Amino acid sequence: AQSVTQPDIHITVSEGASLELRCNYSYGATPYLFWYVQSPGQGLQLLLKYFSGDTLVQGIKGFEAEFKRSQSSFNLRKPSVHWSDAAEYFCAVGSNTGNQFYFGTGTSLTVIP
Amino acid sequence: EAGVAQSPRYKIIEKRQSVAFWCNPISGHATLYWYQQILGQGPKLLIQFQNNGVVDDSQLPKDRFSAERLKGVDSTLKIQPAKLEDSAVYLCASSLAVQYEQYFGPGTRLTVT
Repeated sequence: AQSVTQPDIHITVSEGASLELRCNYSYGATPYLFWYVQSPGQGLQLLLKYFSGDTLVQGIKGFEAEFKRSQSSFNLRKPSVHWSDAAEYFCAVGSNTGNQFYFGTGTSLTVIP
Repeated sequence: EAGVAQSPRYKIIEKRQSVAFWCNPISGHATLYWYQQILGQGPKLLIQFQNNGVVDDSQLPKDRFSAERLKGVDSTLKIQPAKLEDSAVYLCASSLAVQYEQYFGPGTRLTVT
């Protein structure tokens, strides 16, 4: 069965520190992978996506993610976190036909001064 | 460009009552999605439309939930009768077509008492 696992429910980092959010997926076919961010009172916003090609993808707000097929992972990274990055982050997987879209349970990020 | 519009933003009902949510996607977007996001969880896809046809409704509780997208534009999601466990945020999203970025609305927060 298709699923997305985000092992870390909550992460706290200091402003300026690096960040890595973990995402593991289980998918029978070639996955399309996404990271979304949800700020309090705001809708979900796409940070980046991977469909094919270069396994290191760049997104908005300085985020990047690396697709590792052998590890079934799609971890999100940022070299230097800003206080405004505090939010809920969701990893998602979809099929190449565009349906069967699954979100992980999310990782809540707190940024401390 | 106007975003995805949803109404109402908040709704409180008693169990066994019925409720309806409305979504107006971004103009020109052929694909429309309804998600249910229970507190502390990631969004769960309920139903996906391509124009006015259903692409995927495998996770829609069809005994109480129904959705339609007349004329391939606006969509309505209905719950009848509501249960306590239906308390959640209901998100609508749209995209140009399948596989394209999904744009999310602000959601409707439903509380069933």
